[in-house]
Amino acid sequence: DAKTTQPNSMESNEEEPVHLPCNHSTISGTDYIHWYRQLPSQGPEYVIHGLTSNVNNRMASLAIAEDRKSSTLILHRATLRDAAVYYCILRDNTDKLIFGTGTRLQVFP
Amino acid sequence: NAGVTQTPKFRILKIGQSMTLQCAQDMNHNYMYWYRQDPGMGLKLIYYSVGAGITDKGEVPNGYNVSRSTTEDFPLRLELAAPSQTSVYFCASSYSIGFDSPLHFGNGTRLTVT
Repeated sequence: DAKTTQPNSMESNEEEPVHLPCNHSTISGTDYIHWYRQLPSQGPEYVIHGLTSNVNNRMASLAIAEDRKSSTLILHRATLRDAAVYYCILRDNTDKLIFGTGTRLQVFP
Repeated sequence: NAGVTQTPKFRILKIGQSMTLQCAQDMNHNYMYWYRQDPGMGLKLIYYSVGAGITDKGEVPNGYNVSRSTTEDFPLRLELAAPSQTSVYFCASSYSIGFDSPLHFGNGTRLTVT
């Protein structure tokens, strides 16, 4: 399974943009990049996914490097409710979805 | 929509006891998964299923069993509980295999074995 590397923790102030990086240098051509987040005492929640092009949805944006060896999850205006652990995961055409340890985002008022 | 429902929310077991963690989804998803999450750690895949009657091992299957008799239900069985199985257990489902199908998670079962 291809691996991802994320910083252990990041901090942001409320209403500022947040850029959460993820390295995936061993990504293969058909792997999708998925992001999930886990709020305290809850199950993980799907955020966004993409293959090659940048993606936007109501929760976030996903910027994918041209060589696809890295990606960045962008929260345009962080709120206190965005404080969570964010997981970057590569999803291929097998049945498994392997999580790493993620990035813990703290948001300060 | 209920989504993925897990019961119970909390449970305390004594060493050697058995129990079944229940998971049900109402989205007609074929694919279902069981993960465990130890304190401060990421999720580890225990077992998964690609449809009724089909199950397979994940990263950490030892000490657990699963069955999938219907599309909706995917129970996880602990036969002889051990302290190492103290964890939060998450069930998830997805519409299809791989690629761009996101997982939908339940809110977890917090299990303590003493």
